[in-house]
Amino acid sequence: GENVGLHLPTLSVQEGDNSIINCAYSNSASDYFIWYKQESGKGPQFIIDIRSNMDKRQGQRVTVLLNKTVKHLSLQIAATQPGDSAVYFCAENRSGANNLFFGTGTRLTVIP
Amino acid sequence: EAGVAQSPRYKIIEKRQSVAFWCNPISGHATLYWYQQILGQGPKLLIQFQNNGVVDDSQLPKDRFSAERLKGVDSTLKIQPAKLEDSAVYLCASSLATGRPRYNEQFFGPGTRLTVL
Repeated sequence: GENVGLHLPTLSVQEGDNSIINCAYSNSASDYFIWYKQESGKGPQFIIDIRSNMDKRQGQRVTVLLNKTVKHLSLQIAATQPGDSAVYFCAENRSGANNLFFGTGTRLTVIP
Repeated sequence: EAGVAQSPRYKIIEKRQSVAFWCNPISGHATLYWYQQILGQGPKLLIQFQNNGVVDDSQLPKDRFSAERLKGVDSTLKIQPAKLEDSAVYLCASSLATGRPRYNEQFFGPGTRLTVL
């Protein structure tokens, strides 16, 4: 079956430090990935995406890295702020399909 | 631009009762999705509509769940009868069109939290 999972269910970081959230996927047909942020009581919010023809993509304070060899995805957040506290999900989309498959999620807690 | 609206935000029912959730997508969005998010898990797609037609309902438990989008705008998801394992957040999302997510970003509503006792 499909598996989009995260290595760590919880992560606590000090304000100002960098955060790294990891995700593993098992379907080699996946060629598009999205990181979502979900705050308490809200729906998932798009953060950044990456296509399989890229290894790295940067946004504002966030960077996504893709290692297709080991089917691994990571989200790096620079200078983590209290507002970054949330659950983060990776989601995959397979070639030829329209659906998104979500992983379990990692809860990030930023300590002031 | 107004986001995806959902109501109610919270619902508590007893098992075997019925419940309905309502979603109003972003204006002009042709595609509407219903997801189930069990506590501690990522969202799982239940059903996808394009306008008033069903695109994918392969993950919808059709013996108890039903959904409609009669006029191609707002949508209702119903559970009848509810089971304990239906306790979850039900998320609605919409996108401009149907197709691969890289071309059709999905925008999520705040969800309805259902508790079945």
